[in-house]
Amino acid sequence: GAVVSQHPSRVICKSGTSVKIECRSLDFQATTMFWYRQFPKQSLMLMATSNEGSKATYEQGVEKDKFLINHASLTLSTLTVTSAHPEDSSFYICSAGTGKTEAFFGQGTRLTVV
Amino acid sequence: DAKTTQPPSMDCAEGRAANLPCNHSTISGNEYVYWYRQIHSQGPQYIIHGLKNNETNEMASLIITEDRKSSTLILPHATLRDTAVYYCIVRVEGSARQLTFGSGTQLTVLP
Repeated sequence: GAVVSQHPSRVICKSGTSVKIECRSLDFQATTMFWYRQFPKQSLMLMATSNEGSKATYEQGVEKDKFLINHASLTLSTLTVTSAHPEDSSFYICSAGTGKTEAFFGQGTRLTVV
Repeated sequence: DAKTTQPPSMDCAEGRAANLPCNHSTISGNEYVYWYRQIHSQGPQYIIHGLKNNETNEMASLIITEDRKSSTLILPHATLRDTAVYYCIVRVEGSARQLTFGSGTQLTVLP
């Protein structure tokens, strides 16, 4: 299947700092990428839809100024958690569509804010 | 997207078939049944999907009832590495739309 690479796999940052997470489609072009968040023992929740060359669409309750999404190319989308706080600690996962029928997911990024 | 109902957890003996059920009684005619799984601390992995015919690939088989209101994912010979949360998702075909994850079924394969 197609490969989606997410980096870093885990990161620890201090409260108040910003963290950037990268999501790359390695062997295909993705016009649309999705960002999910998953808290412990919960399911994945969609945060935003990232479209190449345009502004991201955020789900209700997700602060667009706090979770900055950039999709500058067909193979790269980034999620920046700005002014991170302990409650932002979570597992962040991206996915990308191949233009076929199924989406593929990155490995996820475990963010811990201390 | 139609709502799905799955049992919260199941156990299966290693080497035996794991049969994971999913109810989707409100499925629409153009909606497919997708299965993904998530091994602990990893991103979800696509398994299989189908519309109305049974499907099989190298990972699993998908059996969809004739009225399409329920389906079963079958792992023919479960291994310890199949321990994961399995998500049944119903939606129209195409990867340009987001996936809506329910709570899934925690499958534990026992040695």
